Amino acid sequence: DAGVIQSPRHEVTEMGQEVTLRCKPISGHDYLFWYRQTMMRGLELLIYFNNNVPIDDSGMPEDRFSAKMPNASFSTLKIQPSEPRDSAVYFCASRGTSGYNEQFFGPGTRLTVL
Amino acid sequence: SQQGEEDPQALSIQEGENATMNCSYKTSINNLQWYRQNSGRGLVHLILIRSNEREKHSGRLRVTLDTSKKSSSLLITASRAADTASYFCATDASPASKLTFGTGTRLQVTL
Repeated sequence: DAGVIQSPRHEVTEMGQEVTLRCKPISGHDYLFWYRQTMMRGLELLIYFNNNVPIDDSGMPEDRFSAKMPNASFSTLKIQPSEPRDSAVYFCASRGTSGYNEQFFGPGTRLTVL
Repeated sequence: SQQGEEDPQALSIQEGENATMNCSYKTSINNLQWYRQNSGRGLVHLILIRSNEREKHSGRLRVTLDTSKKSSSLLITASRAADTASYFCATDASPASKLTFGTGTRLQVTL
């Protein structure tokens, strides 16, 4: 199994530009989570999906952030327009229904907004 | 927020010594998990302890859970340089399926 795949691994963009982060969860997993990690705020849950449906987006910081999961094998997190304070590492994680909610993390996307 | 607090924030030990990290949380939980994060990488699940368990072992890892104090500890015995990483506790509280992560402990193991 390839694990959770994220792309790109690094993204550098200028303020005001649109940024799209991508995630492919582990096959067969029906939960997908988007997190943001910064030194100041630690690891924050932004949104999570179950069977492609958004369940809790209370962690999405503002309307500039949006997430979609058009099918079981793909999700995107979009920031439009981006701001320097969005600079962070964004992680995607997935889990299956069985077991005890162990999550499998991708390698992350390091976003830098200039 | 029920985000857990971990202490110490940073810990530096020599190879062969034991490392203990603590986690406190605020609400009732289903289980508590520990994750490791190597620099520049994603988090990796280490061990899970259910709310009705008090102690669990996995290799060099020992986890304890005290639900009355809402606290947990992770002990790494006979540490190695490869154990250098950040360690996070995460709580799973019903009915949501999400985890809430602690602030993490940065462990440095020197030769």
